[in-house]
Amino acid sequence: ETGVTQSPTHLIKTRGQQVTLRCSSQSGHNTVSWYQQALGQGPQFIFQYYREEENGRGNFPPRFSGLQFPNYSSELNVNALELDDSALYLCASSARTGNYEQYFGPGTRLTVT
Amino acid sequence: RKEVEQDPGPFNVPEGATVAFNCTYSNSASQSFFWYRQDCRKEPKLLMSVYSSGNEDGRFTAQLNRASQYISLLIRDSKLSDSATYLCVVNSPDSNSGYALNFGKGTSLLVTP
Repeated sequence: ETGVTQSPTHLIKTRGQQVTLRCSSQSGHNTVSWYQQALGQGPQFIFQYYREEENGRGNFPPRFSGLQFPNYSSELNVNALELDDSALYLCASSARTGNYEQYFGPGTRLTVT
Repeated sequence: RKEVEQDPGPFNVPEGATVAFNCTYSNSASQSFFWYRQDCRKEPKLLMSVYSSGNEDGRFTAQLNRASQYISLLIRDSKLSDSATYLCVVNSPDSNSGYALNFGKGTSLLVTP
């Protein structure tokens, strides 16, 4: 196991609502990245946090936002949910050393109805 | 054009067969390369990093050709437990995306008895 945890495991929301997903990084890792994986696709990068600051962002609208806390855990917030937001949301933690390998948590499966 | 391209498969092979997956990437500034394995409805798990010199881990061999921007994964003596989706992953650090991972769509492998 990677030591990366995510909560909740599953979530059902209705269109227009807001959701917060949580991630605890592996011990010793200071960087957290969030990805969205739609069915049949590879994960798509949402954003990355390093030392509590957003360090990079993919092609996602501003209603996707996040936080990183002093213990390096992180939250992903999505406002004004749309049906297309239904996906597996993956958190990955890494240390800024070596090959920058990222290790994934089990994901949160979000269904928007 | 997608940054990372893979043959989606599926590859159906008998136990004991050798199977090869190929992948190309478009960003010549890419720095790190990986193969991840993803089981159905689970998170991606790091299978191996890929180095220019090529590297081997048991039955798995990965190769990188920077000049051709091409990555490969060879699985020898396939086992039933190798059935999964194999994701080709590239890290191309820049000021916008930080150390984001760019994933291919994945190649599905089914090993049959």
